[in-house]
Amino acid sequence: KAGVTQTPRYLIKTRGQQVTLSCSPISGHRSVSWYQQTPGQGLQFLFEYFSETQRNKGNFPGRFSGRQFSNSRSEMNVSTLELGDSALYLCASTPLDLNTEAFFGQGTRLTVV
Amino acid sequence: SQQGEEDPQALSIQEGENATMNCSYKTSINNLQWYRQNSGRGLVHLILIRSNEREKHSGRLRVTLDTSKKSSSLLITASRAADTASYFCATYEMDSSYKLIFGSGTRLLVRP
Repeated sequence: KAGVTQTPRYLIKTRGQQVTLSCSPISGHRSVSWYQQTPGQGLQFLFEYFSETQRNKGNFPGRFSGRQFSNSRSEMNVSTLELGDSALYLCASTPLDLNTEAFFGQGTRLTVV
Repeated sequence: SQQGEEDPQALSIQEGENATMNCSYKTSINNLQWYRQNSGRGLVHLILIRSNEREKHSGRLRVTLDTSKKSSSLLITASRAADTASYFCATYEMDSSYKLIFGSGTRLLVRP
């Protein structure tokens, strides 16, 4: 079956703009999580959605938001972009069992200039 | 926040040698997972070891888990140049839904 699909793969934005990233999970997976990866902070949890509800949120400012649709696809939005938001954003989908692996997409590389 | 540290941060070995990476974590866990990441791309799941397991094998990979020391190790035997990547351990928070906490990672370079 198809893996986790993230679009776009690369993005360049200007400070102050906003950006929307998309993630399509593996068919049948209802949990979608987002992570930010930077050289300085490593992999940081952003938020997790299940059945269109945000169940968990990481320690990020309110400029970072997300949502999940009824088909489990998820989007994350970053408003008022800052240079420090430049990162690889990874999406993961997970089946309902916590004792299984998370499946990651290839990520969206966001560069803020 | 990081779950813990991985050791070493970087490792350079010759093809054919074994590579060992260590991971420490801070909280109680259900399981611990290892992932590989090639050059800033997505994470690929390697192996999952449950909290009641002490050792697990998958091909050239061997993972151990010591819950009393809150540590795990990943051994890659007979390494290949294609094993060059960053390796991360990760655990789910016990009281959380699908929030993976990652270690800081080990960058492995396998020289041909």
